[in-house]
Amino acid sequence: GIQVEQSPPDLILQEGANSTLRCNFSDSVNNLQWFHQNPWGQLINLFYIPSGTKQNGRLSATTVATERYSLLYISSSQTTDSGVYFCAVMNYGGSQGNLIFGKGTKLSVKP
Amino acid sequence: DSGVTQTPKHLITATGQRVTLRCSPRSGDLSVYWYQQSLDQGLQFLIQYYNGEERAKGNILERFSAQQFPDLHSELNLSSLELGDSALYFCASSVRGNYGYTFGSGTRLTVV
Repeated sequence: GIQVEQSPPDLILQEGANSTLRCNFSDSVNNLQWFHQNPWGQLINLFYIPSGTKQNGRLSATTVATERYSLLYISSSQTTDSGVYFCAVMNYGGSQGNLIFGKGTKLSVKP
Repeated sequence: DSGVTQTPKHLITATGQRVTLRCSPRSGDLSVYWYQQSLDQGLQFLIQYYNGEERAKGNILERFSAQQFPDLHSELNLSSLELGDSALYFCASSVRGNYGYTFGSGTRLTVV
């Protein structure tokens, strides 16, 4: 099945710093989403981005489907950005609903 | 509030018991998905329902079953519980399969 690799696995930032999280996937996808799991366990959908670029406030994401990667940019990070960021994909051959999650990037933003 | 409601938030039960987790999808969403999150396995897809019908199955054990009712709420039944079933169980919903998913806040199940 499709493999999803996220890097880096851990990231520690000072408040105000910028960061880039990467998601590589091993096959063509027709669905790619970024999620943030906060320290209380809630999974929040950040972007639905199977291709192209989107921006939402301090966050933006780019997916280059032909090269099988996606990037999540966080600018001017805040302590509330802490948590785990997951990339999840579904490929054309996969059964619908089978959104495959990467292992995540754990982000800690220090004040 | 994401619009996806899961109950209960926490559940502690003994091995061998049976529990039912409930999920109400976001208004207008026809697809419901169940996921299990454990420390060693990460987020694993269990099962999907679309408008009352089962659409896809993932790594769901035979001891587990689910259904989606006419009002679109869904229930996940876990039986003959084992210690290893302790995990966070999430429900998510979407308009259709190939759209963004909205997750509920999860049910934390502890089997003792």
